[in-house]
Amino acid sequence: QLQLQESGPGLVKPSETLSLTCTVSGGSISSRTDYWGWIRQPPGKGLEWLGSINYSGSTSYNPSLKSRLTISVDTSKNHFFLRLNSVTAADTAVYYCAREIRYFDWFTTWGQGTLVTVSS
Amino acid sequence: EIVLTQVPATLSLSPGERATLSCRASQSVNNHLAWYQQRPGQAPRLLIYDASNRATGIPARFSGSGSGTDFTLTISSLEPEDSAVYSCQQRSNWPPTFGGGTKVEIK
Repeated sequence: QLQLQESGPGLVKPSETLSLTCTVSGGSISSRTDYWGWIRQPPGKGLEWLGSINYSGSTSYNPSLKSRLTISVDTSKNHFFLRLNSVTAADTAVYYCAREIRYFDWFTTWGQGTLVTVSS
Repeated sequence: EIVLTQVPATLSLSPGERATLSCRASQSVNNHLAWYQQRPGQAPRLLIYDASNRATGIPARFSGSGSGTDFTLTISSLEPEDSAVYSCQQRSNWPPTFGGGTKVEIK
């Protein structure tokens, strides 16, 4: 059974870089059709898609964050990563990783999410 | 980008009652709409895709309907474990967007 798990620091200082890892288990991140995405949810607000990546490193980013966001993949470890630089309090959110069975498709499997707070 | 508006923000009902949740799109998304369930502390779960198709393992009490700009998620007879936030998502126009969510409380 495919499972995803987010990990990373729960507290990041303003202007610094937020870095998270998503570990995929019970399946291979190297599937030719799957895409792997990051979604976040600020406190009291709705979900926001951040971006997605496939096994070969092909990425798609939300235009609202594109200048600050990098998503990468390590197929040897079945991990993919999120880096968001120059963070502010507005980046405080629960961050989820999720699987899409193909590009721009539904998010069929999600991690439990990890809360990241931006504060000095 | 397409804006999805969900009403009501909160729904408080008793077990066995029928829940009707609404999602309205700022422009037509055809049938490219999904519903997700978020229970506290748990991973979000895909319930309905393509407006009316139940995802694998989803109980029959969950149903989706609608097309174009107006969509409905119906829970025919509420169970205590249905207490959650329900969010809609469109994939008709890139980027994918989500609604603000409806919180369902079980009395």
